[in-house]
Amino acid sequence: GENVEQHPSTLSVQEGDSAVIKCTYSDSASNYFPWYKQELGKGPQLIIDIRSNVGEKKDQRIAVTLNKTAKHFSLHITETQPEDSAVYFCAASNNDMRFGAGTRLTVKP
Amino acid sequence: DAGITQSPRHKVTETGTPVTLRCHQTENHRYMYWYRQDPGHGLRLIHYSYGVKDTDKGEVSDGYSVSRSKTEDFLLTLESATSSQTSVYFCAIGAPQETQYFGPGTRLLVL
Repeated sequence: GENVEQHPSTLSVQEGDSAVIKCTYSDSASNYFPWYKQELGKGPQLIIDIRSNVGEKKDQRIAVTLNKTAKHFSLHITETQPEDSAVYFCAASNNDMRFGAGTRLTVKP
Repeated sequence: DAGITQSPRHKVTETGTPVTLRCHQTENHRYMYWYRQDPGHGLRLIHYSYGVKDTDKGEVSDGYSVSRSKTEDFLLTLESATSSQTSVYFCAIGAPQETQYFGPGTRLLVL
């Protein structure tokens, strides 16, 4: 089955800096790659997703890139703000959705 | 939380007792999922349902059973709770290879 590795497990940046979180997957048949943000005490919420026929997708300060050959995808957050502090999860889906272990992002004011 | 509620939100129970968690959705979605979330493991699929009375096992199904008698309700039962089942449990809805929407979670402590 699919295996998703996520790095780093923790990330601390200064407000205004960029943050990058990277994930690798094992199943070449996976074709849907969402990213979720989870705030304390809440369920994960989708922030951006990408499909295997697209290499990059942007939504304001958030972008995701996908390299199908290397089987890795990344989340980029620019101009970070304190409210970006949360745990971020990547996932890869063929039929089952498998999640990475999560990255705790802290944005220092 | 996309019209998904979970009950209870918090529960403390003792080893060996049965526990049932409820997920209720108002989206009339065919697919529903139960995940557990543990530090260092992300979210792992326990069971899922693809319709009324249609369910299948996920990655970590041992010790858990599910039932779906109505479209809107998906129940997760821990047949005999163990300390290793202390976790946060999330329900989700969404088709395969599509966005999944999560409920607010149930925090379970097994003593």
